[in-house]
Amino acid sequence: DAKTTQPTSMDCAEGRAANLPCNHSTISGNEYVYWYRQIHSQGPQYIIHGLKNNETNEMASLIITEDRKSSTLILPHATLRDTAVYYCIVRVARSGNTGKLIFGQGTTLQVKP
Amino acid sequence: ETGVTQSPTHLIKTRGQQVTLRCSSQSGHNTVSWYQQALGQGPQFIFQYYREEENGRGNFPPRFSGLQFPNYSSELNVNALELDDSALYLCASSFMQADTQYFGPGTRLTVL
Repeated sequence: DAKTTQPTSMDCAEGRAANLPCNHSTISGNEYVYWYRQIHSQGPQYIIHGLKNNETNEMASLIITEDRKSSTLILPHATLRDTAVYYCIVRVARSGNTGKLIFGQGTTLQVKP
Repeated sequence: ETGVTQSPTHLIKTRGQQVTLRCSSQSGHNTVSWYQQALGQGPQFIFQYYREEENGRGNFPPRFSGLQFPNYSSELNVNALELDDSALYLCASSFMQADTQYFGPGTRLTVL
C-alpha cells in the first residue's frame, strides 16, 4: 500500500474553507484515496474517497491531481466541530482484498473562532 | 439504519487476564475489521473477518483472536493481557472486504 505524507497540523478560521493537502507519490493505478477524520477519542468517520476524478459530497470535496500523486480535501465552510485529526489513506479496493486501512499520523486541524 | 456499535465502552483489566470485545456491524454489511489505536497514534489493523472466516491479519500475535457470527457481528479476544494492550479498540464494518469501512465508537481498554 502506498504511503502518504500530510502536514502535522493546520489552523483554519471558522467559516473559511479548510484545504488539507496529502502527498501520495507512490500510488498505484488500482489504489483509491480515502479521507477519514477522528474527533478526540471517537471512532474515525469516513469523509470521502476517489480514484482519479474529483469528488464532492455533503461533507467535503476531494481534488486529485491529474498524475494522482497528491490530493486536497476541502471543507468549504469550516466550523468548530470540524476540529479533528484528518487521515489521508490510499488503499486497494478490489474484491477479495482486505482493503485494510493503513493510518499515518494525520493532520490535526484546529478551527478557530 | 443502525450504525456500527461496540461494547463495552470502557473496560479495566489486569495483566494476564483475558478480554472479549464485541462489535455489531452496520445493517447489510458482511465484513468486520478490527483496529488497535494506542494513545497518540493512528489505528493499526489487527484482522478482518468476512463471512465468518479470517480474511487477513496485521502484525499482531496469536493471543489476539476473533470470531464472526452468522449475523456478521464479531468478537475480538485478547489473552494474557499485557500493559501495552491498553488502547482504543475499533471495529469497522463494510459491505464487502474492500468496500468503504465505517467505524464504531470504540472500546477503551485499560490494562493495569
